Amino acid sequence: DVKVTQSSRYLVKRTGEKVFLECVQDMDHENMFWYRQDPGLGLRLIYFSYDVKMKEKGDIPEGYSVSREKKERFSLILESASTNQTSMYLCASWAPGTVLDTQYFGPGTRLTVL
Amino acid sequence: GIQVEQSPPDLILQEGANSTLRCNFSDSVNNLQWFHQNPWGQLINLFYIPSGTKQNGRLSATTVATERYSLLYISSSQTTDSGVYFCAVFTGKLIFGQGTTLQVKP
Repeated sequence: DVKVTQSSRYLVKRTGEKVFLECVQDMDHENMFWYRQDPGLGLRLIYFSYDVKMKEKGDIPEGYSVSREKKERFSLILESASTNQTSMYLCASWAPGTVLDTQYFGPGTRLTVL
Repeated sequence: GIQVEQSPPDLILQEGANSTLRCNFSDSVNNLQWFHQNPWGQLINLFYIPSGTKQNGRLSATTVATERYSLLYISSSQTTDSGVYFCAVFTGKLIFGQGTTLQVKP
């Protein structure tokens, strides 16, 4: 079974802090994704990565950056957290063209910025 | 870009009832998926169904690609079916609908 883990389930930070959200997958997937989920808006793609050291902007990259130094790890960075970044953050990994052609999601990190 | 719309936004059922969730998409797609998010936030893929019909236990899904919609059927609902159901289409990246929140009451 694919396993995607995220470093924290719940996180509380203060405005202006630098925040790191970590995601690790154990299936050697090349593709990894960061989404945020807000009520009434569904999941929106922040950034994704198709390979180590490679990153692409999603639909809402402003205020975020990412790092992919190793294949299994994809980090989301909030350079200076703001209250409008309070949200649920979901990481996913994916191996296209496999029998189960789907993304596998981590359990999510609920971030509150005060 | 492609639009994905789900209906209804909210649904409350008594245990044992059947339901149909709908997903409309605005353009041709070659990859449509249904996900369930449990009350603790975990998203699990239910179906990868670009066209046709698939069944998995009490759940089944049908996609009519030519008419740009997909349906998720839940039969004999159970309280464990509660949560949010998302459809998502792939166009180089996954585009999610806003979801249907289902509450099944005992």
